[in-house]
Amino acid sequence: DVKVTQSSRYLVKRTGEKVFLECVQDMDHENMFWYRQDPGLGLRLIYFSYDVKMKEKGDIPEGYSVSREKKERFSLILESASTNQTSMYLCASTPGHSGGQPQHFGDGTRLSIL
Amino acid sequence: QKEVEQDPGPLSVPEGAIVSLNCTYSNSAFQYFMWYRQYSRKGPELLMYTYSSGNKEDGRFTAQVDKSSKYISLFIRDSQPSDSATYLCANRKGASGGSYIPTFGRGTSLIVHP
Repeated sequence: DVKVTQSSRYLVKRTGEKVFLECVQDMDHENMFWYRQDPGLGLRLIYFSYDVKMKEKGDIPEGYSVSREKKERFSLILESASTNQTSMYLCASTPGHSGGQPQHFGDGTRLSIL
Repeated sequence: QKEVEQDPGPLSVPEGAIVSLNCTYSNSAFQYFMWYRQYSRKGPELLMYTYSSGNKEDGRFTAQVDKSSKYISLFIRDSQPSDSATYLCANRKGASGGSYIPTFGRGTSLIVHP
């Protein structure tokens, strides 16, 4: 089974802090994704990566950056955390660039910015 | 209009009922159709995955896709309290640039009461 592991289930940080969310997958997947999930808004794509050191902006990249130094690890960085970034953050991965493989998700990090 | 629409619910049913969850989409380029189940405070897990029109059955779950109407359904037979969760519909385009990024509905909350 594919395992996508997010390093923290719950995280509390202060406004202005630099925050790192880590995600690791164990199935050698090329593609990795970061979403945030808010009530009534559903899943929104922040950034994705289709290869090491490659990144693409999703629908809501403002205030975020990402890093993919190794194939199995994809980090989301909040450069200067703000209260409107309080949310559930979900990491996902999928193999290849085409074909029918669906995404596999981690269990999420519930981030609170005070 | 959002590309993938779901009624947010909640849908409340008694144990043992047949549940019908529905999803509509507007983009005829979608070729892959997925249902994810998400329990509270957990990440989405893949439940059903289909490529073509028609029915796909897996235990108590049946996914039905009607591409001509752009209508997707998930049926749950003999529903159980453990089926209480949010169900996300997700669609993907075929093999082309960015095709591995699905579009998610906002989810339907299901409550199965004993």
